[in-house]
Amino acid sequence: NAGVTQTPKFQVLKTGQSMTLQCAQDMNHEYMSWYRQDPGMGLRLIHYSVGAGITDQGEVPNGYNVSRSTTEDFPLRLLSAAPSQTSVYFCASRPGQGARGYTFGSGTRLTVV
Amino acid sequence: KNEVEQSPQNLTAQEGEFITINCSYSVGISALHWLQQHPGGGIVSLFMLSSGKKKHGRLIATINIQEKHSSLHITASHPRDSAVYICAVTGRWASGSRLTFGEGTQLTVNP
Repeated sequence: NAGVTQTPKFQVLKTGQSMTLQCAQDMNHEYMSWYRQDPGMGLRLIHYSVGAGITDQGEVPNGYNVSRSTTEDFPLRLLSAAPSQTSVYFCASRPGQGARGYTFGSGTRLTVV
Repeated sequence: KNEVEQSPQNLTAQEGEFITINCSYSVGISALHWLQQHPGGGIVSLFMLSSGKKKHGRLIATINIQEKHSSLHITASHPRDSAVYICAVTGRWASGSRLTFGEGTQLTVNP
């Protein structure tokens, strides 16, 4: 099925561990972005990309890295997990042109202990 | 003050009622989005608009660029409409890949 696929759905990490959250889309969308959702804070932009090879920081980029080597994939790397990174993470994509809205992945619930 | 403010934060309605959720923003925008987050956590895009009005089924979204205000209306509400509705904007000079979000409106529709 066409859409945005995020893996894993759930993850528990120990403080200091690193990991990669995967995001893939098969709709040939130029724009991709990562958000985190915390109670009382709403959704906040971590990193975004407007095309392969182009990434930029959002509101809360510290502690996260991204790369966009292909149009399809936009992985989010946690370099050294901290309890403050406990959150639900969403990946989203949309076409670069036109009035089509975003397609969101189903989310990754991450707990850092 | 947040760039995107939604009201109300919580809304309880009886099935069949007409519902309005409001969104005000403080920056120039190129587009405004309405999203729906289901109780299970999934997020669905309802509308993307930059002017005027859009309608999809029982949902209507309007935007007034001069007043920096948008509304989401639900006609003949149903318990399955219970969800969090989120307003988000792309700033006029920002990349089209950047969204700034309101905190959401929790809607509960009782049978």
